[in-house]
Amino acid sequence: EDKVVQSPLSLVVHEGDTVTLNCSYEVTNFRSLLWYKQEKKAPTFLFMLTSSGIEKKSGRLSSILDKKELFSILNITATQTGDSAVYLCAVEGSGGSNYKLTFGKGTLLTVNP
Amino acid sequence: KAGVTQTPRYLIKTRGQQVTLSCSPISGHRSVSWYQQTPGQGLQFLFEYFSETQRNKGNFPGRFSGRQFSNSRSEMNVSTLELGDSALYLCASGILAGPTYEQYFGPGTRLTVT
Repeated sequence: EDKVVQSPLSLVVHEGDTVTLNCSYEVTNFRSLLWYKQEKKAPTFLFMLTSSGIEKKSGRLSSILDKKELFSILNITATQTGDSAVYLCAVEGSGGSNYKLTFGKGTLLTVNP
Repeated sequence: KAGVTQTPRYLIKTRGQQVTLSCSPISGHRSVSWYQQTPGQGLQFLFEYFSETQRNKGNFPGRFSGRQFSNSRSEMNVSTLELGDSALYLCASGILAGPTYEQYFGPGTRLTVT
């Protein structure tokens, strides 16, 4: 069965700090790894990673995938209070043309002023 | 382009009742997936529909069922509700992006079973 483990489960930092969130996975027929940010509503899409070693960046957020070691990291630099949220990692793995996402439990990030 | 819409947004039911939730995907998206989110279990995959066919199913009992219509709108039904079915039910609309799908979530339906 596909499995996604995120660490840490929660993290409290001060504004301006840099944080690194981890996601490791075991999946059959890996297709992609996705990061989402969830505040008090539905998850919003951040990144989709399919290739090892290629960093994706969006402002202060960046992410990279290691398909050999089966993990990904999400970095947030110069954190702001608005970054406080649950960050979810999901892996797409399937057989044939079926599509299924397996989510980790998330990392709760709290950024204090 | 309008986003994914889910109705109703909030629902309160009693044990033993049944409930139907609705999801309208982004225009042009043919894949609709359903997830259950609870504090203890996180986000768990229920099922995915594509062109009116269920393509994949998670590990949920038969009380959870769904369907998709020709306009890609999808419904999810839960029969004989249990207290543990209280959760946020999220629907995600998907579109092929290269070799994989991009998913966009709706706002969810918060179901409370008393």
